Amino acid sequence: QKEVEQDPGPLSVPEGAIVSLNCTYSNSAFQYFMWYRQYSRKGPELLMYTYSSGNKEDGRFTAQVDKSSKYISLFIRDSQPSDSATYLCAMSSFNSGYSTLTFGKGTMLLVSP
Amino acid sequence: NAGVTQTPKFQVLKTGQSMTLQCAQDMNHNSMYWYRQDPGMGLRLIYYSASEGTTDKGEVPNGYNVSRLNKREFSLRLESAAPSQTSVYFCASSDPGQGNYNEQFFGPGTRLTVL
Repeated sequence: QKEVEQDPGPLSVPEGAIVSLNCTYSNSAFQYFMWYRQYSRKGPELLMYTYSSGNKEDGRFTAQVDKSSKYISLFIRDSQPSDSATYLCAMSSFNSGYSTLTFGKGTMLLVSP
Repeated sequence: NAGVTQTPKFQVLKTGQSMTLQCAQDMNHNSMYWYRQDPGMGLRLIYYSASEGTTDKGEVPNGYNVSRLNKREFSLRLESAAPSQTSVYFCASSDPGQGNYNEQFFGPGTRLTVL
């Protein structure tokens, strides 16, 4: 079992829909939980990060972490065609005083006008 | 402020050829990374350099070598390319001491095909 599991999609929705993207993980040592967005033929860019269980909102985006279930989600409200991208969850842990990231495989999102 | 730059953008090699992928960052970050991204496999860490003068293996280091030339530059070398190394390669940098969540900044990638 991989440390981080993420459904690769693609997930196709109409413009204006609410989108839910999810990841599960097995390593209890993960401390920070991040969502990266990657447009086609570009490098990933950090979208949001959270530390504790609960919700964090930024505009149309809400990141949710449930540490007891080892489950994280990203919700996108009023989705736009410009949100079409691959979304990668990432989690950080510390080893010997150094932080590394473990990425999910990414979910491709397609928002149609 | 260019962020993270990578050269070349595209490359085609024949099996057995060697090449070096170059990466540079202008954000004064201490840490740098090399990843490969393959369909269905996500981002996998090849090597990283926690600070200038140090390098460590990641998840998939076989067939690669790295050099942290200075604080700005981190190169990835394929000594004898194989078709299994066909992939998109991303360089990233971060300053883990800032916030501890280790936000990594990625370059635009190098698309490598090995025939």
